[in-house]
Amino acid sequence: SQTIHQWPATLVQPVGSPLSLECTVEGTSNPNLYWYRQAAGRGLQLLFYSVGIGQISSEVPQNLSASRPQDRQFILSSKKLLLSDSGFYLCAWRDGGTGIRDEQYFGPGTRLTVT
Amino acid sequence: AQKITQTQPGMFVQEKEAVTLDCTYDTSDPSYGLFWYKQPSSGEMIFLIYQGSYDQQNATEGRYSLNFQKARKSANLVISASQLGDSAMYFCAMSDLNSGGYQKVTFGIGTKLQVIP
Repeated sequence: SQTIHQWPATLVQPVGSPLSLECTVEGTSNPNLYWYRQAAGRGLQLLFYSVGIGQISSEVPQNLSASRPQDRQFILSSKKLLLSDSGFYLCAWRDGGTGIRDEQYFGPGTRLTVT
Repeated sequence: AQKITQTQPGMFVQEKEAVTLDCTYDTSDPSYGLFWYKQPSSGEMIFLIYQGSYDQQNATEGRYSLNFQKARKSANLVISASQLGDSAMYFCAMSDLNSGGYQKVTFGIGTKLQVIP
């Protein structure tokens, strides 16, 4: 069966520090991968998605970036964190390819607090 | 642009009763999908149910059913026989294809459901 991991689970970082959040998926190949951010009391905002190694699409311009160095690894990064980067970051995967039907499966999330 | 609206920030339901969580959507695409997710206090998003825009029948998954009214652009979630473990945030979401032909999912702001013993 497929599983998705995220780490760290929680993170407290000062403003201006770098960030690296990691997401890995097991039990599937060539998945579509997604990074979402959820601000307190809000819905999910899509940040990045990837349909293959090295293929990253950004939905929202910001100081964050994403990379996919391996088929089942998705990394969210920042060179300098802002206070507004605080939130709950969720990684998700679905079966690769196009189509609207397949549901996305989410990881446990990383709670980031920028101080 | 697609949009999802959930107008109920919070709902209470008595244990063993049924509850309906509202969701309306707006899109000009003829082909789209509608999802409901549950988010317990732990934070993980759990997929509940899916409805396609061309599906003729309302989707059902155990105690969950989706009341799909295409002309009214509504996709309400009905939970029957509520249980204490149903207490959580519930998100409605819609998928369609972006300009690159890949799935893009837009989420509503959620409804917090509390089940009362």
